[in-house]
Amino acid sequence: KAGVTQTPRYLIKTRGQQVTLSCSPISGHRSVSWYQQTPGQGLQFLFEYFSETQRNKGNFPGRFSGRQFSNSRSEMNVSTLELGDSALYLCASSSWGGNGDTQYFGPGTRLTVL
Amino acid sequence: GEDVEQSLFLSVREGDSSVINCTYTDSSSTYLYWYKQEPGAGLQLLTYIFSNMDMKQDQRLTVLLNKKDKHLSLRIADTQTGDSAIYFCAEPFSGGYNKLIFGAGTRLAVHP
Repeated sequence: KAGVTQTPRYLIKTRGQQVTLSCSPISGHRSVSWYQQTPGQGLQFLFEYFSETQRNKGNFPGRFSGRQFSNSRSEMNVSTLELGDSALYLCASSSWGGNGDTQYFGPGTRLTVL
Repeated sequence: GEDVEQSLFLSVREGDSSVINCTYTDSSSTYLYWYKQEPGAGLQLLTYIFSNMDMKQDQRLTVLLNKKDKHLSLRIADTQTGDSAIYFCAEPFSGGYNKLIFGAGTRLAVHP
């Protein structure tokens, strides 16, 4: 079974631009979560989607948004990029997303904002 | 709220055992997880333990869980240079779906 895939793997943007990141979960998985990883803040939860609905959201500004499609693929969007948005963005998928359901992570998208 | 704490660094000699420790706060956690991150890579699920277990062994990995002290440890036997990575302990957030709370990660350095 193929793992979680994320595209693109690397992105360089400038302040004020917007960016869209994509995540394809493991086949059959319906829950997709997004995390931001930075050296200063570590791994922080952004949001989680299940059956095209956002069920859970972390403490991030409204510039961070996401969506999920009917095939469970998910995208996240960051508008009006700031230097502090430079990070590794990780996507994780799981079967049904309940407590105890194991999350499997993709390789991440490294975003650099100049 | 939930909090997960880990020591930041561990240095071991090749062939020795490594023990990475973690403390967590949410006593209702059903599962606790260990993930491994190699340089430039995502998170790889190493192992997990159900909260009603005290110990789980998986090849070179042994997970010990002390629920009373909310302490979790990961032991790697016969540590190899390929084990050099950052190891994250994680617990599920009690108040929402599929949200993991991670520790800061323990950087394991294996030297000859």
